[in-house]
Amino acid sequence: ERVMTQFPATLSVSPGERVTLSCRASQTVNRNLAWYQQKPGQAPRLLIYAASTRATGTPARFSGSGSGTEFTLTISSLQSDDFAVYYCQQYSDWPPLTFGGGTKIELK
Amino acid sequence: QVQLVQSGAEVKKPGSSVKVSCKASGGTFTSYGISWVRQAPGQGLEWVGGLIPMFGRAEYAQKFQDRVTITADESSGTVYMEVNSLTSEDTAVYYCAKSYDESPNWLDPWGQGTLVTVSS
Repeated sequence: ERVMTQFPATLSVSPGERVTLSCRASQTVNRNLAWYQQKPGQAPRLLIYAASTRATGTPARFSGSGSGTEFTLTISSLQSDDFAVYYCQQYSDWPPLTFGGGTKIELK
Repeated sequence: QVQLVQSGAEVKKPGSSVKVSCKASGGTFTSYGISWVRQAPGQGLEWVGGLIPMFGRAEYAQKFQDRVTITADESSGTVYMEVNSLTSEDTAVYYCAKSYDESPNWLDPWGQGTLVTVSS
């Protein structure tokens, strides 16, 4: 099973700042990685798939990069709507699909 | 554009079973997979299992192998997940979500979630 580790667990950020979230896989997942955003009381929403492809409707300020075991989600200029929890998920080796533990972006 | 609509919240006793439904509109799920993902209160996301059309069957995470059954009714466009031998640790929001194609990959869209509460 591929174990996904996200860090940091929490980020305290001010609007307008550039934000970088990290996700590490226990073994290579190539570029088979997705990122999701989840707000309180809502279902997760797909942001990025194939490590760097923005899903329909994902703002251009979100970008994904990486391959193998190290991945990054970058928000170029944090907006008030971006305060949420972000999860990475690998789909290279299944079952099971596995998620990281999440990174919460909170207001500084 | 596929939309997923799940059944309503459930309250169950320990040791009982629950069956949650996920109705797909706007597409036929024989051409894509449907996964079930759960989220315990205040916790992260955990894949339970999913229908894998490329295999013609469901696959499960090992910890759920013996207690969870995922089935589909193609005529109504509905996928079901049944969880047996419930304990308080099964209290969670259960989401269904669509894979891009016949194998499990990225999940989009997601259903609205079904809260299952297990309490005596």
